[in-house]
Amino acid sequence: NAGVMQNPRHLVRRRGQEARLRCSPMKGHSHVYWYRQLPEEGLKFMVYLQKENIIDESGMPKERFSAEFPKEGPSILRIQQVVRGDSAAYFCASSPDISGNTIYFGEGSWLTVV
Amino acid sequence: GQQLNQSPQSMFIQEGEDVSMNCTSSSIFNTWLWYKQDPGEGPVLLIALYKAGELTSNGRLTAQFGITRKDSFLNISASIPSDVGIYFCAGQLSGGSNYKLTFGKGTLLTVNP
Repeated sequence: NAGVMQNPRHLVRRRGQEARLRCSPMKGHSHVYWYRQLPEEGLKFMVYLQKENIIDESGMPKERFSAEFPKEGPSILRIQQVVRGDSAAYFCASSPDISGNTIYFGEGSWLTVV
Repeated sequence: GQQLNQSPQSMFIQEGEDVSMNCTSSSIFNTWLWYKQDPGEGPVLLIALYKAGELTSNGRLTAQFGITRKDSFLNISASIPSDVGIYFCAGQLSGGSNYKLTFGKGTLLTVNP
């Protein structure tokens, strides 16, 4: 049973470009979460999605960031017009329900903005 | 929002020693979770705690859910080199937002062989 798959694992973008991070949840999981980890920090909740619905985006910056989880295909975290402060590790997690012990994290996508 | 204070920030120990780290919160949590993160990887769940006072073991790891529900500790006994990594505590609330995990800043563990 494949785990949570994220790609790309590493992404370098110039300031002003767009970054798209993809996440395929574990098989049978319909709940997807995105977390951001800044250097030497813990993970911070960004957004919670179910298929075709954004349930909670309270942790997302108001501008430039968006997320989707379409009916078909992976969840996408999109960052427009990236700035240096967006450099971080972005982790996707999935679960079959909302219990803490059933949330599995992917290996992360490391974004570097130069 | 909720904050978790995790200590110590880092530890340097000799192989074979025991390790203890803890988390305290300004808020009550219904679930405490402990994760380990290796460099360049995602966090992996080690132990989940669901009841105040609960003491749970996973091999050489033991974790406890504090009675006040505002703290938790993790112990690692007889450390080995592969224990190296960053250990995170995370709390989960009950109610409408119980899907959210609030993470501490992590404890970096270095084990000298």
